Amino acid sequence: DAKTTQPDSMESTEGETVHLPCSHATISGNEYIYWYRQVPLQGPEYVTHGLQQNTTNSMAFLAIASDRKSSTLILPHVSLRDAAVYHCILRPQGTGSKLSFGKGAKLTVSP
Amino acid sequence: GALVYQYPRRTICKSGTSMRMECQAVGFQATSVAWYRQSPQKTFELIALSTVNSAIKYEQNFTQEKFPISHPNLSFSSMTVLNAYLEDRGLYLCGARGGHTEVFFGKGTRLTVV
Repeated sequence: DAKTTQPDSMESTEGETVHLPCSHATISGNEYIYWYRQVPLQGPEYVTHGLQQNTTNSMAFLAIASDRKSSTLILPHVSLRDAAVYHCILRPQGTGSKLSFGKGAKLTVSP
Repeated sequence: GALVYQYPRRTICKSGTSMRMECQAVGFQATSVAWYRQSPQKTFELIALSTVNSAIKYEQNFTQEKFPISHPNLSFSSMTVLNAYLEDRGLYLCGARGGHTEVFFGKGTRLTVV
């Protein structure tokens, strides 16, 4: 399976803009980059995804390197509710609902 | 919007007994459903992937004999944990996908084995 590398944890303060890095040096051309987040006792929540171009939605901005070997999830003005484990996942086209989760990066947000 | 409901949210069963968990997709047609287990150590394991009109595909270390899955229509799937033992405890997650590119997850069924 294709692998991603994330820091184990990151710390931030409310109101800051947080940059969560992800390395995926062996990404294949047909693999999307997905980000999910999970809080304790809940299932993963979809954040965003992209293939080649940067993407933005109400939750986050996803910056994808031109060679696609890394990406950064940017969370503007984080709040306490953004504290979660963030998973960067590669999903090949045509694999249905199969996702390969790693340990993710635990984001802590302080008041 | 698209939602996935899982029930029960938590359950306790005696060692050696079985329990069934259900997954309901609302607002979209779940053509693909994947069942996962998240252990107390927080690691995810894919159990099996069920796609409409295809055979259910189990991952290594998981079998139909232990985790039978039913996916009878585009809104429902169930999985049973047969003869549950301590190592089967964890949070069981259902992830479903239809025409969207994202996978929607339920909140999980937390299994405790005593």
